[in-house]
Amino acid sequence: QQQVKQSPQSLIVQKGGISIINCAYENTAFDYFPWYQQFPGKGPALLIAIRPDVSEKKEGRFTISFNKSAKQFSLHIMDSQPGDSATYFCAAKAAGNKLTFGGGTRVLVKP
Amino acid sequence: EPEVTQTPSHQVTQMGQEVILRCVPISNHLYFYWYRQILGQKVEFLVSFYNNEISEKSEIFDDQFSVERPDGSNFTLKIRSTKLEDSAMYFCASSERMSYNEQFFGPGTRLTVL
Repeated sequence: QQQVKQSPQSLIVQKGGISIINCAYENTAFDYFPWYQQFPGKGPALLIAIRPDVSEKKEGRFTISFNKSAKQFSLHIMDSQPGDSATYFCAAKAAGNKLTFGGGTRVLVKP
Repeated sequence: EPEVTQTPSHQVTQMGQEVILRCVPISNHLYFYWYRQILGQKVEFLVSFYNNEISEKSEIFDDQFSVERPDGSNFTLKIRSTKLEDSAMYFCASSERMSYNEQFFGPGTRLTVL
């Protein structure tokens, strides 16, 4: 019930391509869905977040699409750059502050 | 830019020993957290702390774990008697407010239990 399932586990994309990462959840009490970016040796850093009252949020090259009825949300990285190579985690939060993370997606952008 | 700091960056200990992991949250933040990430697995919530009290904890956070804010700047995680399965990266995080407020993560402490 509390899980967030993330796919794919890894992704290779050419520079300039689109990276798409998907997450699904079961707990309808989740009301905040952030995406975190993690570089090796660093802690996760917030990239972009969405609340379920909107279906899409865009910040620069990063877009979250949210489908409340399907209980799914996804991260699109447009015009992927080698500097985007990192591990991306989706997460979800219900009441309180506990973040439930997905399993992570390792993205490699080839020049 | 303010950031969460953690010490040490790597801690090696023998099974059964006590360890204390230290964190300095961002100065005006009021909510503090510990998460852990076992190698190759997802980040897992351990505990949240506000107003000198635990506000939420996970099933992982059993009696061998404790947290403390010993002064106005530090936030610590103590593991009383370490087990092999406690080997993980431990992340401290802090946020200014509750709810939709961003949690800022530190760089982590890698704990290796031998």
